[in-house]
Parts: sequence; C-alpha cells; structure tokens
Amino acid sequence: GENVEQHPSTLSVQEGDSAVIKCTYSDSASNYFPWYKQELGKRPQLIIDIRSNVGEKKDQRIAVTLNKTAKHFSLHITETQPEDSAVYFCAASIYAGNQFYFGTGTSLTVIP
Amino acid sequence: DAGITQSPRHKVTETGTPVTLRCHQTENHRYMYWYRQDPGHGLRLIHYSYGVKDTDKGEVSDGYSVSRSKTEDFLLTLESATSSQTSVYFCAISGRERVNNEQFFGPGTRLTVL
Repeated sequence: GENVEQHPSTLSVQEGDSAVIKCTYSDSASNYFPWYKQELGKRPQLIIDIRSNVGEKKDQRIAVTLNKTAKHFSLHITETQPEDSAVYFCAASIYAGNQFYFGTGTSLTVIP
Repeated sequence: DAGITQSPRHKVTETGTPVTLRCHQTENHRYMYWYRQDPGHGLRLIHYSYGVKDTDKGEVSDGYSVSRSKTEDFLLTLESATSSQTSVYFCAISGRERVNNEQFFGPGTRLTVL
C-alpha cells in the first residue's frame, strides 16, 4: 500500500517568517494530496489540496507544490502568524479508491 | 463542519467491555471512515465504507468491527475493549458529487479504556 512520510516532525519559526513542510509518497498511482491543520483538541480541517494534474496551488498565504516525478509535495506558509501554530498533516489518495494515507504530522510553532 | 457528528464525544470504559461509537452524516457522502489518532502515529485508518453494507479493513483493524446499514450512519464496535484501544477516534466522510476526494472529519471521540 501507499506510504507517506512527513518532515520535519516539529518546526519553530519566528512570526513573519516562512514555514515549509515536506511529504513524500510511494505509490505513483496517488493523484490527490490534501493538507490538514489540526489545532489542539480539535478535528483536522482541510486547508488546501492539489491534484496530480497541477504543479502548484495557492490560497492567500498558503501554497502547495507537487513534484510527481520525485513523488513529493510540500506545504508553504508565508508571513506566518501565531494562529498558524498547529499540527499539520499531509495525505495521499488514489481517486478511484478513495483511501487516504496520512503522514505522521508536523507540529508548527510560530513564535511572536 | 460538513454535517458530521460523532457520539459519544467522551467515554470511559473498562477492559473487556464492548463499546460502540457512532458516526452520523447529513451530507449524503458515499465514503465513510474510522481513524484513530495517537501521539507519534498521526491518523491511522481502522475501517472504511464505500457504500451501504460495503466495508473494508484499514491498516489497524484488529479488534474492531464496523457496520453501515444506512448511508448516514457508520458504527465502530470494539467487541472487548483493551487498554491499547485508548485513543481519539475520528470519523470522516468523502465522496460528495463533483468533489469526490475532499475528506471531512467529525469532532472526534475520546475513548479511555481502564
């Protein structure tokens, strides 16, 4: 089955700096890659996703890039703010099967 | 929050007792999932369903069973709870028409097995 690895497991940045979280996947058939943000005690919330026919997608301060050849995708958060502090999960899915495989999470701390 | 609820939200039980968690959706999504979340492991799939009465195992299915008799309900049962099943359990849904892949999570159930 699919194996998703996520790095780093923890990340601290100064407010206003950028944060980058990276994930790799193993199954070349995966074609949908969502990112989730989970605040303490809350449910994971979908923040951005990308499909395999696109190399990059942006939504205000967050962006995701995908390199299908290398089988990796990354989350970029610019101009970080304290409210960005949370655990972020990447995932990979094969459209037809609709199973999702998650990374182990990155705990992001934005220092004011 | 995509019309998905879980019950109970918190439960404390003793080793060896049966436990059933319920997930209910009002969005008519085709797929439903049960995950457990533990520190250092992220979200691990227990079972999922791709339609009424159609279910399949995930990566950590031992000790768990599921049932889906209606589109809107997906039940997770621990036949005989063990301390290793202490966890936070999340239900999720996906498969809404034209946005097939987007997956949404319920609020979670915190289960403690003593």
